[in-house]
Amino acid sequence: GIQVEQSPPDLILQEGANSTLRCNFSDSVNNLQWFHQNPWGQLINLFYIPSGTKQNGRLSATTVATERYSLLYISSSQTTDSGVYFCAVNFGNEKLTFGTGTRLTIIP
Amino acid sequence: EAGVAQSPRYKIIEKRQSVAFWCNPISGHATLYWYQQILGQGPKLLIQFQNNGVVDDSQLPKDRFSAERLKGVDSTLKIQPAKLEDSAVYLCASSLDTSGGNPYEQYFGPGTRLTVT
Repeated sequence: GIQVEQSPPDLILQEGANSTLRCNFSDSVNNLQWFHQNPWGQLINLFYIPSGTKQNGRLSATTVATERYSLLYISSSQTTDSGVYFCAVNFGNEKLTFGTGTRLTIIP
Repeated sequence: EAGVAQSPRYKIIEKRQSVAFWCNPISGHATLYWYQQILGQGPKLLIQFQNNGVVDDSQLPKDRFSAERLKGVDSTLKIQPAKLEDSAVYLCASSLDTSGGNPYEQYFGPGTRLTVT
């Protein structure tokens, strides 16, 4: 099956800093989603981005499908950005294969 | 638009007892998924329904887990009997929206945190 790796596994930043999270996947996909899992366990949809670049406020994402990676950028970090960020991929409406996650901690 | 609803939010049971979880997907979503998330890991699919038919249950421990989706809307996931290693968060998701959004984008409910003692 598809392998999904995320880096770094852990990231600790001061409030206001910028960060880049990476997702590598082992095979061609036509769907890719980024999620933020908050401290209460809720998975929040950030981006549906099988290819190209999208921006939503302080967050943006880029997927280069031909090179099998995606990047999530967080600018001007806030404490509410803390949590685990997951990348997940699939084909069509098949099951999502999740990466290992990046645990982000923002220090005030 | 209402999101995916799940209940209960928390459940504590003793091993060998049974438990059931309920999920109501986003209106108009034909595909429903149950995922299991063990602490420190990403969610893993247990079963996928397309309307009321099973698409993928290859990772469902069928000796103790069962799921149904009557009438192609709500779904229940049952564990009987529970084991200690079933302690996890059970997440329901839905997708396949043909109303104009990203058709295959999956949306997750708040999850049910199960503790087996």
